[in-house]
Amino acid sequence: EAAVTQSPRSKVAVTGGKVTLSCHQTNNHDYMYWYRQDTGHGLRLIHYSYVADSTEKGDIPDGYKASRPSQENFSLILELASLSQTAVYFCASTGEGYAEQFFGPGTRLTVL
Amino acid sequence: SQWGEENLQALSIQEGEDVTMNCSYKTYTTVVHWYRQDSGRGPALIILIRSNEREKRSGRLRATLDTSSQSSSLSITAAQCEDTAVYFCATEASSGSWQLIFGSGTQLTVMP
Repeated sequence: EAAVTQSPRSKVAVTGGKVTLSCHQTNNHDYMYWYRQDTGHGLRLIHYSYVADSTEKGDIPDGYKASRPSQENFSLILELASLSQTAVYFCASTGEGYAEQFFGPGTRLTVL
Repeated sequence: SQWGEENLQALSIQEGEDVTMNCSYKTYTTVVHWYRQDSGRGPALIILIRSNEREKRSGRLRATLDTSSQSSSLSITAAQCEDTAVYFCATEASSGSWQLIFGSGTQLTVMP
């Protein structure tokens, strides 16, 4: 079964600070995604990647950067964290032969 | 927006009852995913229905897809307390795309 892990699981950051959220998958999937989930809402795509060393903008990329240094790892970077970025962030992966996306457990980010 | 409803819907039922959750979408898709999200965890696929299937069953779950009305439904027969979760539908961002667009979801609470 697909295994996607995220770290940290929760984080409190200060406004204007830099935050890096990490995602690691062990299933040889080519495609990886970062979503944010706000209370009472669905998932919105921030950035995604189809191959190492390449990232693409999703629906809400402003204020976020992404990095895919290897097939297994995908990071989400908030250079200047803002209050509006308080949310739960999910990483997901998928690959050839799979229709579904496999999600990590999420990172709860609180920006104060 | 891909979806007709933007906010999380809420349904509360008694154990043993049947329940149906609905989704409508605005753009063409060849597949509808239904994901379940338990509290504090990432979403997980529970059933997937393709455009050449009008109905798909998996245990107590039944999904339907009506491409002419661009709508899908998920039914749970004889709901149990452990079915309490948020249920999301998701469609392809475009035909053959590896991106998904998620609806805002339904919070289902099954009471004993």
